[in-house]
Amino acid sequence: DSGVTQTPKHLITATGQRVTLRCSPRSGDLSVYWYQQSLDQGLQFLIQYYNGEERAKGNILERFSAQQFPDLHSELNLSSLELGDSALYFCASSVAPSGTGDYGYTFGSGTRLTVV
Amino acid sequence: GQNIDQPTEMTATEGAIVQINCTYQTSGFNGLFWYQQHAGEAPTFLSYNVLDGLEEKGRFSSFLSRSKGYSYLLLKELQMKDSASYLCAVRDNRQGNLIFGKGTKLSVKP
Repeated sequence: DSGVTQTPKHLITATGQRVTLRCSPRSGDLSVYWYQQSLDQGLQFLIQYYNGEERAKGNILERFSAQQFPDLHSELNLSSLELGDSALYFCASSVAPSGTGDYGYTFGSGTRLTVV
Repeated sequence: GQNIDQPTEMTATEGAIVQINCTYQTSGFNGLFWYQQHAGEAPTFLSYNVLDGLEEKGRFSSFLSRSKGYSYLLLKELQMKDSASYLCAVRDNRQGNLIFGKGTKLSVKP
């Protein structure tokens, strides 16, 4: 157990629907990162939050949004789902906001989203 | 921007040594990471290099040359459980998040 909790583990939904993925960071970590991993792509960075504030943005679609709550858990909302959104969605957390030090990420076990 | 290249697949024999290479182009270097990922599982942190040279951690070592934009991960005394994808990542100098390569899938055969 890495200490980063993601729910649900699996999600099957239809095109056009909306889903919410949840992440609780490791105790003491203030940063949360969301990544998407599909079969033919590596880990694609979506968005980062630090202590409740958006910190960095990657290739996140406008149909996707995220937030971090006061208790530091984060939610990733995916709407108007398309078949191509089927992927593993990982949440990771770290102590530092960015930039310095040997601060690797701790990843959760991921949510496998299947859009049918 | 960032660009990271690593071989797609490699095969090695149990007990042998394998070197996985990673080349990167970045507008501002701020650290290089290696992660291991078993199929369908979370990536797990292996190593971090920010200065040139070799970092050794048990059977795993990682090397960095900043002037060449090059790193490698060296795995010794390969075991079957080392069959996994190995991800090279660099830290985005502007935003601080990690940018990952597509990973190298290593198959260890008896």
